[in-house]
Amino acid sequence: QTVVTQEPSLTVSPGGTVTLTCASSTGAVTSGDFPNWFQQKPGQAPRALIYSTTERHSWTPARFSGSLLGGKAALTLSGVQPEDEAEYYCLLFYDTTWVFGGGTKLTVL
Amino acid sequence: EVQLVESGGGSMQPGGSLRLSCAASGFTFSSYWMHWVRQAPGRGLVWVARIDTAGGSKAYADSVKGRFTISRDNAKSTLYLQMNSLTAEDTAVYYCARTRDWELLSAWGQGTLVTVSS
Repeated sequence: QTVVTQEPSLTVSPGGTVTLTCASSTGAVTSGDFPNWFQQKPGQAPRALIYSTTERHSWTPARFSGSLLGGKAALTLSGVQPEDEAEYYCLLFYDTTWVFGGGTKLTVL
Repeated sequence: EVQLVESGGGSMQPGGSLRLSCAASGFTFSSYWMHWVRQAPGRGLVWVARIDTAGGSKAYADSVKGRFTISRDNAKSTLYLQMNSLTAEDTAVYYCARTRDWELLSAWGQGTLVTVSS
């Protein structure tokens, strides 16, 4: 049973920078795991932010960036806005299936 | 405008069956792989299943393999999820979402709630 682990919660000040990470129980996350990141606000469907580790969708603000960091996938938010307060999920590819992380609740305070 | 509209959710007793539908519009449905993702109340996202453009290749999460079947009708631009042998652990909002190439789950529906309870 593959487990994808994220920080349960993080807090950041408006205008600050924060990095969320995504680790795999099978070992280091690589570009071959095609990390994806999603944002979900209360009562809403999730919204895709990042695909294939670093690629932004056309609607994703430039302050969101994806990378690999220390064997994990990472999502960095620079110049955080109040509207960035949300739950963030990573998604990794395993052979023919996909596994979500448990989510990180980001508080902007 | 891209739209995905799920339907078919409701309340079921354990052991029952339900078929969910996802009606797509605003894009060429037959060009996209499609997925189902679920979210139990107050919990995180769980990937459930995916199907390729023609319906010939399917994959499932271990938790639903053998009980759920994903299918599609490209002529009707509709995705389905047949759910059998339902248990309380299947209680969740079920979302459909589209994928092309490695742009995973780029558009989502609003979800349909399935409640399994005696």
